[in-house]
Amino acid sequence: DTGVSQDPRHKITKRGQNVTFRCDPISEHNRLYWYRQTLGQGPEFLTYFQNEAQLEKSRLLSDRFSAERPKGSFSTLEIQRTEQGDSAMYLCATHRAQGSYGYTFGSGTRLTVV
Amino acid sequence: AQSVTQLGSHVSVSEGALVLLRCNYSSSVPPYLFWYVQYPNQGLQLLLKYTTGATLVKGINGFEAEFKKSETSFHLTKPSAHMSDAAEYFCAVSASGNTPLVFGKGTRLSVIA
Repeated sequence: DTGVSQDPRHKITKRGQNVTFRCDPISEHNRLYWYRQTLGQGPEFLTYFQNEAQLEKSRLLSDRFSAERPKGSFSTLEIQRTEQGDSAMYLCATHRAQGSYGYTFGSGTRLTVV
Repeated sequence: AQSVTQLGSHVSVSEGALVLLRCNYSSSVPPYLFWYVQYPNQGLQLLLKYTTGATLVKGINGFEAEFKKSETSFHLTKPSAHMSDAAEYFCAVSASGNTPLVFGKGTRLSVIA
């Protein structure tokens, strides 16, 4: 069990650029979640997958955001045409769908849009 | 829909004193309740969880929480604060464990020597 890994840890980008983040889950965890956390706030749900199927997307997830989990293992979150309001910590969390409650979180990717 | 309210964005206690962090939830179905801790620039770590059964749940680092359905509360306590407890604490709720967690805004705990 190597934990949930997120890459990169930090990303600084200019407004209007595209960015992509990666999350590698614990191997036997088939559910994977993306959350966004801004300063002084709790994590806000963005989307989640069970294996490769994207089961739910939050209304927070504008059409500039897209997430994939092509083989049911790692996942990517892409933000197109970044805006300053996208600056936040992006957290990935995973767990087994059956018989397990409570997520294991990665350390997050901190995005700063300048 | 589920929601969580954490009373007090910042709580300050002396080292050795009781820690009490308050959490009230709203859920239309039996809730699953969680407390997480977050240290600066890190992800969240699960402290404890309530799913079914015993309403008093014990977690890591000496923390415990009690599910009180009549009060829709799930307050987090620790008898004696330690300097290493200083962190951000988040309460979260899920509808029977099958929906994404909904988090509160968090409570920052400071421990004074």
